[in-house]
Amino acid sequence: GAGVSQSPSNKVTEKGKDVELRCDPISGHTALYWYRQRLGQGLEFLIYFQGNSAPDKSGLPSDRFSAERTGESVSTLTIQRTQQEDSAVYLCASSLGVGVQETQYFGPGTRLLVL
Amino acid sequence: SQQGEEDPQALSIQEGENATMNCSYKTSINNLQWYRQNSGRGLVHLILIRSNEREKHSGRLRVTLDTSKKSSSLLITASRAADTASYFCATKREDSNYQLIWGAGTKLIIKP
Repeated sequence: GAGVSQSPSNKVTEKGKDVELRCDPISGHTALYWYRQRLGQGLEFLIYFQGNSAPDKSGLPSDRFSAERTGESVSTLTIQRTQQEDSAVYLCASSLGVGVQETQYFGPGTRLLVL
Repeated sequence: SQQGEEDPQALSIQEGENATMNCSYKTSINNLQWYRQNSGRGLVHLILIRSNEREKHSGRLRVTLDTSKKSSSLLITASRAADTASYFCATKREDSNYQLIWGAGTKLIIKP
């Protein structure tokens, strides 16, 4: 079946512009996660959605970052007034639910470069 | 801040040899997971070991967990060129149902 998909795969933008990144989770997966991965680093948790519960936004680095999710489907991560330090790969993952054993399935990521 | 720390940061071995990577973490955990990341297939889940388990096998992979030392190791036996990738450990904290804390990874290169 189809995995997690993300678009665009690459995005180059100028400092100060807004960008919107999209994630399509695996159908039926109620949990969705956004991570940021800087070059040569591990993943930083950004935000988590689970069903109709309020999202956990504790990982968002500033108020320039926001994310939405429509029901249990598509999610968009928006970065306003981009800065050069926002350059990174943004990864989305989904899981069937939550629990100690739940495996997260990752999309290919969006590579963002802010000039 | 990152919870998991892998070592070594980079490892280069000949095809056919075994590769061992280690991960240390700081807080009590529910489980520890190993992932592989390469440019071809992205980030892929390899194996999960629960906090009450000490060793787990999956194909050529062997994972150990020592909760008293807050450390884990990943052994890949009979390495292949296709194993070239970065390997990350991620821990699920005892107080969380979903949040994974990631290390910076070990970059493994298998030389033909």
